[in-house]
Amino acid sequence: NAGVTQTPKFQVLKTGQSMTLQCAQDMNHEYMSWYRQDPGMGLRLIHYSVGAGITDQGEVPNGYNVSRSTTEDFPLRLLSAAPSQTSVYFCASSRDGTVTSNQPQHFGDGTRLSIL
Amino acid sequence: GQSLEQPSEVTAVEGAIVQINCTYQTSGFYGLSWYQQHDGGAPTFLSYNALDGLEETGRFSSFLSRSDSYGYLLLQELQMKDSASYFCAVSLRGDSSYKLIFGSGTRLLVRP
Repeated sequence: NAGVTQTPKFQVLKTGQSMTLQCAQDMNHEYMSWYRQDPGMGLRLIHYSVGAGITDQGEVPNGYNVSRSTTEDFPLRLLSAAPSQTSVYFCASSRDGTVTSNQPQHFGDGTRLSIL
Repeated sequence: GQSLEQPSEVTAVEGAIVQINCTYQTSGFYGLSWYQQHDGGAPTFLSYNALDGLEETGRFSSFLSRSDSYGYLLLQELQMKDSASYFCAVSLRGDSSYKLIFGSGTRLLVRP
């Protein structure tokens, strides 16, 4: 099983450029989310989605857009890259949006993004 | 707002037991999770507590006290491969569902 696939694995951008980070899962999970992790820090929630057509903001949504047109894909768009967005970006998925049961988040391998 | 606090670093000896604490101040709390992350890797799920008490999974146990807004992860029979960062995370009520908010992590160093 592929699980959660993120592309690209590495990317260097110039300030002001735009870019889309791709995330796809093949587990038929309804719930997907994006996190960023700065060096030596925890993960901060950017956006999340409980299903196609539904997205919500997390802790640090500014400068990022998401859409969820299919269950499988949850791309993250940087509108105008800034050096402060240099980070490792993780996409995660879980079975559905209910919280009454134990639902582990399955993480992708991350995208390492540098903005010059 | 919400906050989670956990120690930044813990050192222990191989074969020993170590406890990593997590305290939180949040609203709309559903449960507490623990994740492990090795350097350069992705986080992986360890445990989840929705109710007060102890959950055991092999060498790892996790505890939650909702009244104290406190939980911990207990690692027994430590192995070198347990050297990693450990994150507590709270499931909170979100606009459409729940959202998972992570602490800043505890770096565990296991020495021979």
